[in-house]
Amino acid sequence: NAGVMQNPRHLVRRRGQEARLRCSPMKGHSHVYWYRQLPEEGLKFMVYLQKENIIDESGMPKERFSAEFPKEGPSILRIQQVVRGDSAAYFCASSPLQGQDSPLHFGNGTRLTVT
Amino acid sequence: EDKVVQSPLSLVVHEGDTVTLNCSYEVTNFRSLLWYKQEKKAPTFLFMLTSSGIEKKSGRLSSILDKKELFSILNITATQTGDSAIYLCAAMEYGNKLVFGAGTILRVKS
Repeated sequence: NAGVMQNPRHLVRRRGQEARLRCSPMKGHSHVYWYRQLPEEGLKFMVYLQKENIIDESGMPKERFSAEFPKEGPSILRIQQVVRGDSAAYFCASSPLQGQDSPLHFGNGTRLTVT
Repeated sequence: EDKVVQSPLSLVVHEGDTVTLNCSYEVTNFRSLLWYKQEKKAPTFLFMLTSSGIEKKSGRLSSILDKKELFSILNITATQTGDSAIYLCAAMEYGNKLVFGAGTILRVKS
């Protein structure tokens, strides 16, 4: 049973470009969460999605950031017009069900570097 | 504001030592407390604690939660160099949202 798959592992973008980060949840998991880890800091919640629905985006910056989890295919975290402050590790996690005691399982992350 | 505080921030021990990592939390709608181990990549799940006073064990690692004092500890006995990592504590709210602490960096010297 493959774990949470994220790609790419590393992504370099110049300021002003767009970054697209992909996440495929574990098999059988229908809930996806995105977290950001800045250097020397803990992981910070960004957004929680189910298939075709955004459940909680309270941690997402209001501008330039968007996320989706379509009916088919991986979840995508999209950052438009990247700035240096967007450089971080972005982790995706999945869980099977909400409302039950199920821990989140994380992918290996995408390390975004903005030059 | 919800917060999770871990201590110490970093720790250096010798192989064979026992370590205790601390985690305190203030989170509305608290549901569970989770511990993760992070090496160079994904945080890997260690424990999920929902009830007070019940110790969970996995090999040399154990953890317990005190919901009255809003506190959890992670113990590692007979440490090995492979235990060197960042240990993350996270409080889970309803909705499965995790609030993470900054982590404890553990280095075990041979």
